[in-house]
Amino acid sequence: NAGVMQNPRHLVRRRGQEARLRCSPMKGHSHVYWYRQLPEEGLKFMVYLQKENIIDESGMPKERFSAEFPKEGPSILRIQQVVRGDSAAYFCASSPRSPNFYGYTFGSGTRLTVV
Amino acid sequence: EDKVVQSPLSLVVHEGDTVTLNCSYEVTNFRSLLWYKQEKKAPTFLFMLTSSGIEKKSGRLSSILDKKELFSILNITATQTGDSAIYLCAVSNDYKLSFGAGTTVTVRA
Repeated sequence: NAGVMQNPRHLVRRRGQEARLRCSPMKGHSHVYWYRQLPEEGLKFMVYLQKENIIDESGMPKERFSAEFPKEGPSILRIQQVVRGDSAAYFCASSPRSPNFYGYTFGSGTRLTVV
Repeated sequence: EDKVVQSPLSLVVHEGDTVTLNCSYEVTNFRSLLWYKQEKKAPTFLFMLTSSGIEKKSGRLSSILDKKELFSILNITATQTGDSAIYLCAVSNDYKLSFGAGTTVTVRA
C-alpha cells in the first residue's frame, strides 16, 4: 500500500502562472482533504471532496483556487494566477470514510514556491 | 472560529530529558483531539483522544485530555535525538481538523 501520493514534491511557479497539485489517495479511500501550511503556521483546512463531489470548500480562498476529485484519477488542487502569498506547503489527506481520523492519512505534501 | 493554541512554540532539551507540550482549544462540536509528529514530511499520527482523564501511551510518549478545562498535554520521557520534530495538536469536528501552530522540539545529544 503506497500511502497517499502527492506530486510534485516541489513546484516553482512565476507570479501569474498556474499551479496544479495532484493527490492520489490510499487504495480504498474515497474521501480527500486538502490543507495548506504557511510558514510558521499550523495546517489550515481548505476543502473536503468525495468522488465527483465537493462536500465542504469553506477553507478555500474565494478566487483563483479550485479543487476536484474526478471519478477516475487523482484529486487536483488548482491555483490560477499564483501570487507570492500562495507559497506554502499543501498537504492532502485521505480516509476510507468520514469521519474516521484513525484512518486519516497525510501525504508528504507539495511545496509551492512562487517567484 | 475554532481556536487551537500550543505552547511553548519551541524548546531545546538534552537527551534523556522529559518534555511536556501543551494544547488548549476552543471549538464548536468537539469530537476528538489528535497529536501528530511532523519531520519535514507528512504529519504522522501519534494519538487520538476522545475521553477526559484517560491516558494514552505509546512507548515513551503519553497524552491525556481534559475536556472540562479544554486542554491536552503530550509527554515525552527519556528524549532521544530522533524525537526532534514539530509536534502538532489538532481538534476535530466532524471531518475537519483545526491545527495549532505546533511546538518545535529540538533534542541535543
